[in-house]
Amino acid sequence: GENVGLHLPTLSVQEGDNSIINCAYSNSASDYFIWYKQESGKGPQFIIDIRSNMDKRQGQRVTVLLNKTVKHLSLQIAATQPGDSAVYFCAEGPGGYNKLIFGAGTRLAVHP
Amino acid sequence: SAVISQKPSRDICQRGTSLTIQCQVDSQVTMMFWYRQQPGQSLTLIATANQGSEATYESGFVIDKFPISRPNLTFSTLTVSNMSPEDSSIYLCSVGPGLAEETQYFGPGTRLLVL
Repeated sequence: GENVGLHLPTLSVQEGDNSIINCAYSNSASDYFIWYKQESGKGPQFIIDIRSNMDKRQGQRVTVLLNKTVKHLSLQIAATQPGDSAVYFCAEGPGGYNKLIFGAGTRLAVHP
Repeated sequence: SAVISQKPSRDICQRGTSLTIQCQVDSQVTMMFWYRQQPGQSLTLIATANQGSEATYESGFVIDKFPISRPNLTFSTLTVSNMSPEDSSIYLCSVGPGLAEETQYFGPGTRLLVL
C-alpha cells in the first residue's frame, strides 16, 4: 500500500462507537467547509460540506459542526464501522468551493 | 457526481524526464484543479486549469515545471517536467461544480515515483 497519512495523528475507536474528528481552520473569511475521506490507494471522497451561514449539517451517519467563533470544524460519525477506517481531511474555502485549503488530516482506525 | 478518470494510475520515472498526466471527466464541468499530495502529507493545490486560457498557479508552483492544458470542459493534462525524486507524489485532479453540486470531486490520483 501507499503511505498516505503515514505520519498523521490517529484516532482509534471501537466498532459501533461514535467518532469525532476535529479540525481547526485558519482563515476567518472562509465561507465553505468540506470533509473528505481518503482510503489507501484512492482519491479523496466527498463526505459532507457546510457553508458558513450554518452551524450544523447532517448526512447519513455523519454530522458536521461549525464553530466560527473559534474557527473549529468537527465531523461526527455515528456507529463507526470498519469500513470507516481511512484518513479524513477537512478543507476550507475562502472563496467558496474553489481553491480549497486542506488540513493536515486524521487517520481513523476502527477496531472490532 | 461526475466520474473522473486519470491516466496513468501510477508510474516510475527517471530523474530529468517529464510525465504528462491526463484527467478525463464524463460530463462538462466549469472548474478543474490539480493537487499534489506528497508522501504522508495533505493535499496542496498546484493550479486551476482554465478552459481556453493559461492555468492559474498557486504560490510555489510555476508553469515551466507544471505546464497544464485544458482544451475543453471535460479534459485536462498536467505535465511534471524535468523530474527529481522530490517530485515523487500523488497527483490528483478535481472538478467542480457539476450540474447540481457546488463542491469539488476528486479523481483516483496518479502515483509517481521518481528515481
